[in-house]
Amino acid sequence: DGGITQSPKYLFRKEGQNVTLSCEQNLNHDAMYWYRQDPGQGLRLIYYSQIVNDFQKGDIAEGYSVSREKKESFPLTVTSAQKNPTAFYLCASSNQGPGNTIYFGEGSWLTVV
Amino acid sequence: KQEVTQIPAALSVPEGENLVLNCSFTDSAIYNLQWFRQDPGKGLTSLLLIQSSQREQTSGRLNASLDKSSGRSTLYIAASQPGDSATYLCAVRMDSSYKLIFGSGTRLLVRP
Repeated sequence: DGGITQSPKYLFRKEGQNVTLSCEQNLNHDAMYWYRQDPGQGLRLIYYSQIVNDFQKGDIAEGYSVSREKKESFPLTVTSAQKNPTAFYLCASSNQGPGNTIYFGEGSWLTVV
Repeated sequence: KQEVTQIPAALSVPEGENLVLNCSFTDSAIYNLQWFRQDPGKGLTSLLLIQSSQREQTSGRLNASLDKSSGRSTLYIAASQPGDSATYLCAVRMDSSYKLIFGSGTRLLVRP
């Protein structure tokens, strides 16, 4: 089935540690996105990529990094510079062009211990 | 700066009732508006997408309207069911931008 797969579903990070969240899509979408959701709040854009080997910062990119080496993959690294990383992270993708529907993965929960 | 607001934050209704969820935005220069459903601990599912040139979109028991000039959109749910219980979020996309700006959502509970 076509869709977006995020892994792991749950992740615990120790202080000072970098962690990477995986996002894979088989929808043949050009654009991919990472959003962060805090409890009871809407989503905030971390990074997005319109094409392979290119990506742009969103509203809250500090402390995060991404890569886009393949069309189907857009991993997010939460670095130790991110001071408050505990949140629900959502990956999404869409066809090229802002008029297209955006599709989301099931999300990954990151908790700092 | 575009701001998206959803009121109320939570809503509880008995099964069978028709209901309206509200979404307002401060900058009317939007490209489109999208309504999503989110179940607890899950990702978002797109319900309806309204382009800026459209007034409404319908899918089954759902109807979304858009009034750009007043900065408002509504999601109408007919004959609500317990399975409709979820958080509903609206998001706007500004002209020619890939960025979606989300409201904080309305948490809906439909009581049997």
